[in-house]
Amino acid sequence: QVQLQQSGPGLVKPSQTLSLTCAITGDSVSSNRAAWNWIRQSPSRGLEWLGRTYYRSKWYNDYAVSVKSRITINADTSKNQFSLQVNSVTPEDTAVYFCAGSTDSSDWYRHFDYWGQGTLVTVSS
Amino acid sequence: EIVMTQSPATLSVSPGEGATLSCRASQSVSYNLAWYQQKPGQAPRLLIYGASTRATGIPARFSGSGSGTEFTLTISSLQSEDFAVYYCQQCDNWPLTFGGGTKVEIK
Repeated sequence: QVQLQQSGPGLVKPSQTLSLTCAITGDSVSSNRAAWNWIRQSPSRGLEWLGRTYYRSKWYNDYAVSVKSRITINADTSKNQFSLQVNSVTPEDTAVYFCAGSTDSSDWYRHFDYWGQGTLVTVSS
Repeated sequence: EIVMTQSPATLSVSPGEGATLSCRASQSVSYNLAWYQQKPGQAPRLLIYGASTRATGIPARFSGSGSGTEFTLTISSLQSEDFAVYYCQQCDNWPLTFGGGTKVEIK
């Protein structure tokens, strides 16, 4: 059974960088039959997919256009985890952030089988 | 971007009754649609993918149907643990997008 455990600060100052980590147990971040995603949820935006990383002989990333210029998703194979960085945050980035795993190939790994517990990140000075 | 619209926003149902939730896509997503259940303070849980395939461990009272732009999630005989918010998600085009949710509440 795959489990995802999130960590990272719950408060970030405007203009700074939001950083979260998602540790994977029960699967490998470098599996060629999985993709690892970040999703956020806020009252104003609802559920919003941010991006993903996956390994298919080399590393690939897909990002939502709305945040593409500000986010980076990386994998750390030594720790079997992946991370999210969002630069230049504003109060509009305040949300609950979830990591999520896609391990089913029927729709090219685009639905989310496993979720982290969520982290409320507040952007405020 | 594909816009997903769910209706109704809130559905009041008595325990033991059935519920039908709708999800409409702004353009065809074929059968590439998933449904999730979310309870307060928890992450969403995958219920259905491929429009009609139940995820591992999901009870048979949950069923999904539809294709193209019109989809339905049916819950037969609601149990106490089924009162929650339900979201649809299209898995066909980038960016992946979610509906605004339907809250199923106790009548």
